Amino acid sequence: NAGVTQTPKFRVLKTGQSMTLLCAQDMNHEYMYWYRQDPGMGLRLIHYSVGEGTTAKGEVPDGYNVSRLKKQNFLLGLESAAPSQTSVYFCASSYPFGGADYQPQHFGDGTRLSIL
Amino acid sequence: DQQVKQNSPSLSVQEGRISILNCDYTNSMFDYFLWYKKYPAEGPTFLISISSIKDKNEDGRFTVFLNKSAKHLSLHIVPSQPGDSAVYFCAASRGYNFNKFYFGSGTKLNVKP
Repeated sequence: NAGVTQTPKFRVLKTGQSMTLLCAQDMNHEYMYWYRQDPGMGLRLIHYSVGEGTTAKGEVPDGYNVSRLKKQNFLLGLESAAPSQTSVYFCASSYPFGGADYQPQHFGDGTRLSIL
Repeated sequence: DQQVKQNSPSLSVQEGRISILNCDYTNSMFDYFLWYKKYPAEGPTFLISISSIKDKNEDGRFTVFLNKSAKHLSLHIVPSQPGDSAVYFCAASRGYNFNKFYFGSGTKLNVKP
């Protein structure tokens, strides 16, 4: 029962380097999300996708890009990493919502990213 | 400026007693609310939700209360168990836009045996 798998679990980058975080889900979920969590703050939505080939901006999208080429994968890219992007990143997925019928998001275990 | 606030960073409760976790929000347009639970080194897991058309929702030991006039919600856990020790996040959305939730900073609950 893999659920939502995030790769890598830890990474240290130097300022200006680029990297891609991978999120894979095996629940056939339509929707996928990337969040970041910083000390003393709640989860903040970076980008999300409501289906293969679609992406949309969340609350804090600047400095990040995403792609959803396959339904099961959602990639988060940092083109030029900055120390302000040091954070724990969580990916989540869910079934589509219909009206007032909330479908819980299933989260991965997070990627701890440090940028020096 | 955080629209959803959890003003108590931590809470300690004896096993068997009630745990009450509180959450305040500033945006009166929020109409759907969630609680998630998070253990260390794991992702959050969904616990319970409530729509603004209700003032209470129960699921086993967990009950969420919503006071719209006070812009306040609370999570009650009765009875508390050591396995409930975790960080609890509340979240809110507007217009049933379930793709965009605003999360509080979390309350760390410690249930002592």
